[in-house]
Amino acid sequence: QKEVEQNSGPLSVPEGAIASLNCTYSDRGSQSFFWYRQYSGKSPELIMFIYSNGDKEDGRFTAQLNKASQYVSLLIRDSQPSDSATYLCAVGRRGGGADGLTFGKGTHLIIQP
Amino acid sequence: KAGVTQTPRYLIKTRGQQVTLSCSPISGHRSVSWYQQTPGQGLQFLFEYFSETQRNKGNFPGRFSGRQFSNSRSEMNVSTLELGDSALYLCASSLEPGSGTEAFFGQGTRLTVV
Repeated sequence: QKEVEQNSGPLSVPEGAIASLNCTYSDRGSQSFFWYRQYSGKSPELIMFIYSNGDKEDGRFTAQLNKASQYVSLLIRDSQPSDSATYLCAVGRRGGGADGLTFGKGTHLIIQP
Repeated sequence: KAGVTQTPRYLIKTRGQQVTLSCSPISGHRSVSWYQQTPGQGLQFLFEYFSETQRNKGNFPGRFSGRQFSNSRSEMNVSTLELGDSALYLCASSLEPGSGTEAFFGQGTRLTVV
């Protein structure tokens, strides 16, 4: 059974600070890692993806991957109230035989003005 | 470039009925995956279609089925609806099959079974 674990929160962070979201996964064969943002009542929006160990930066977002520890994280710098949402970690494999994405249940992030 | 389009956005059905949901992927994307999202279970994989073939299926009963057309549009069907089928049904579009590349979600269809 493939599992993706996230702290459900809520995680409360002051505006302008760094928000750190974490995710662990059970399937050692996982090759692809995604972070989705989901506002209440909306569908998930892809904000970051990472395939190799290390850090990947895109604007205020940094994804970090450590395959040895089976750990993925998302850092949001200079947090804004508009970043308040649920962040979903998703894990997948390449190839046509792979199952669909396995999602964590999400971390609810609140940015306090 | 248009995103993933799902119709209808909202549906209310009675137990025992059947329902068909539609998904049009991003232009050029040939892989369409379906997911069910509920507060208790989160997002769960239903099945994936690529080049009109079902490639993978999640752990859902046979009442859940789907198909994909030659233009990559996909439909999902749920027969003999149960109260527990009430959920947000999401379609995701990607370039390649499997779960290894970026997947983009549509707005979803909110199904309520009464």
